[in-house]
Amino acid sequence: QKEVEQNSGPLSVPEGAIASLNCTYSDRGSQSFFWYRQYSGKSPELIMSIYSNGDKEDGRFTAQLNKASQYVSLLIRDSQPSDSATYLCAVSSGSGNTGKLIFGQGTTLQVKP
Amino acid sequence: EADIYQTPRYLVIGTGKKITLECSQTMGHDKMYWYQQDPGMELHLIHYSYGVNSTEKGDLSSESTVSRIRTEHFPLTLESARPSHTSQYLCASSEFKTGTRTFGSGTRLTVV
Repeated sequence: QKEVEQNSGPLSVPEGAIASLNCTYSDRGSQSFFWYRQYSGKSPELIMSIYSNGDKEDGRFTAQLNKASQYVSLLIRDSQPSDSATYLCAVSSGSGNTGKLIFGQGTTLQVKP
Repeated sequence: EADIYQTPRYLVIGTGKKITLECSQTMGHDKMYWYQQDPGMELHLIHYSYGVNSTEKGDLSSESTVSRIRTEHFPLTLESARPSHTSQYLCASSEFKTGTRTFGSGTRLTVV
């Protein structure tokens, strides 16, 4: 079992729809959770970080964390073609700068105009 | 503006050559990392550093070596490049409080 698992996709949604990206992790001691966006041929860039159970909203993006279920998700509202990219879930066993950061394989999102 | 820089952006080199991939950051971060990523695959940590004169191997075995003589500089060296080293190499640094990684633009290495 991989430490951080994501469905590789592609996930295809029409423009304006809500895209839902999911991630599960195996280490119950994980404390920090991140979503990165990576355009083809580019480096990852941070979209959201979340540290406690519940929802965290930033513009069109909402991260959801459920530690009991070892599940973290990213919702993208009003999806735009420019959101088409691979979304990487990353999980850290430590807080702050401690602990390993493990990346999932990523989910490719395609937003069709 | 604080940033993290990698050079070269693209490199095509012959088998057996020695290469150094450069990484510098002006973020003021102590911790720096090298990741390797093949197309469509996960990022794999190959080296990291907590600070000057501190280097550690990551999860993925790599024939590369790193050095950290200055806080802002973390170069990666391959003594003898092979086709199996063809990949994208990403340098990153992290903020102490959150551990958030900031990535450089990457070096896409092709060994022929």
